[in-house]
Amino acid sequence: KNQVEQSPQSLIILEGKNCTLQCNYTVSPFSNLRWYKQDTGRGPVSLTIMTFSENTKSNGRYTATLDADTKQSSLHITASQLSDSASYICVVSAGTASKLTFGTGTRLQVTL
Amino acid sequence: DGGITQSPKYLFRKEGQNVTLSCEQNLNHDAMYWYRQDPGQGLRLIYYSQIVNDFQKGDIAEGYSVSREKKESFPLTVTSAQKNPTAFYLCASSMEGYEQYFGPGTRLTVT
Repeated sequence: KNQVEQSPQSLIILEGKNCTLQCNYTVSPFSNLRWYKQDTGRGPVSLTIMTFSENTKSNGRYTATLDADTKQSSLHITASQLSDSASYICVVSAGTASKLTFGTGTRLQVTL
Repeated sequence: DGGITQSPKYLFRKEGQNVTLSCEQNLNHDAMYWYRQDPGQGLRLIYYSQIVNDFQKGDIAEGYSVSREKKESFPLTVTSAQKNPTAFYLCASSMEGYEQYFGPGTRLTVT
């Protein structure tokens, strides 16, 4: 069964600090991995997408890494801002858009 | 939220009543999807449609129905057969094989 596990489940950090979110997956066949940001009560918005051959991808203060051998990905947030408070969801595709496996997300809270 | 709209944002219904959630997109995407999101769980696929007048069941289709009469529209009906309908419902669209764009969601509460 395809699975995506994220850790930690929740995280509280001070504004300006960095943090790293983890994603482990067992999805086959692997097509790509996306990180989404979901504000409370809103739909998810894509941050990054990585294919098998990509090790890292940046989007502003967000940097995602992928280790296809160990089936692990991470999302690093640099110099956090209050607006980064949201859930971050790791999504792995098994080949088509209809074959997505979603993680349960990490809820990040950035405080003053 | 891109060019995907969902209405209403909040919906309340009595148990036993059917309810239809609206999803419209102006992105000219061929494929559209309905997901359900519950606390502590990942998004789960209810139904998807890759072309007008055709749709397939997802992982949790029981108690739901859809139609795809127009490319732009993919309404979801939550029927009285759905045992736990209270949830956050998300609609998405994409070109096949490409990124899914999500709507703002509809929070359905059934009492």
